[in-house]
Amino acid sequence: DGGITQSPKYLFRKEGQNVTLSCEQNLNHDAMYWYRQDPGQGLRLIYYSQIVNDFQKGDIAEGYSVSREKKESFPLTVTSAQKNPTAFYLCASKLVAGGADTQYFGPGTRLTVL
Amino acid sequence: QKEVEQNSGPLSVPEGAIASLNCTYSDRVSQSFFWYRQYSGKSPELIMSIYSNGDKEDGRFTAQLNKASQYVSLLIRDSQPSDSATYLCAVNIVNNAGNMLTFGGGTRLMVKP
Repeated sequence: DGGITQSPKYLFRKEGQNVTLSCEQNLNHDAMYWYRQDPGQGLRLIYYSQIVNDFQKGDIAEGYSVSREKKESFPLTVTSAQKNPTAFYLCASKLVAGGADTQYFGPGTRLTVL
Repeated sequence: QKEVEQNSGPLSVPEGAIASLNCTYSDRVSQSFFWYRQYSGKSPELIMSIYSNGDKEDGRFTAQLNKASQYVSLLIRDSQPSDSATYLCAVNIVNNAGNMLTFGGGTRLMVKP
């Protein structure tokens, strides 16, 4: 059963805590992405990774960190430096080989700061 | 000016009518265009991609691309209440970060029975 999984589905964070959101894909996709979506708004890019052990900042990287140690996994850490982290977080992946440019999304993690 | 712009709506159409969703973009060299559907509380799912000028049809959906005028649209024929969702337009745009997929804010569609 191929796809992109994200966990947890819901996450609650206390002020000052770091939390890590999981994203795993078994599609053999090369590139992976993290987006943030606020109510009634479009998607904003946080970080992306085209290959293992390499990643780049997106438009709103401040207060977030990522790693890409395996092709299948691209976890996102929301640090205490992110002042307004309550949002819907979406992971996406894309097959780069052959010029493919369609991104597919995981089910998302809804993060709430208490 | 936003790189990808959509009317936020809501766009309300009666069941059975044609829903027309529009999107304009700023980058003249963009080559890839996508429409995603997002139900409330869910993640976006791809409906259609389009790369060439003209129309592309898939069932009740038709994507239309006009690169000279920098707009892409999505028509939904025989609209159903189950089509009620937010539709996101996405365009590959070349900026400082490279060739990145940029999303519009989405248009909320309401199909009334």
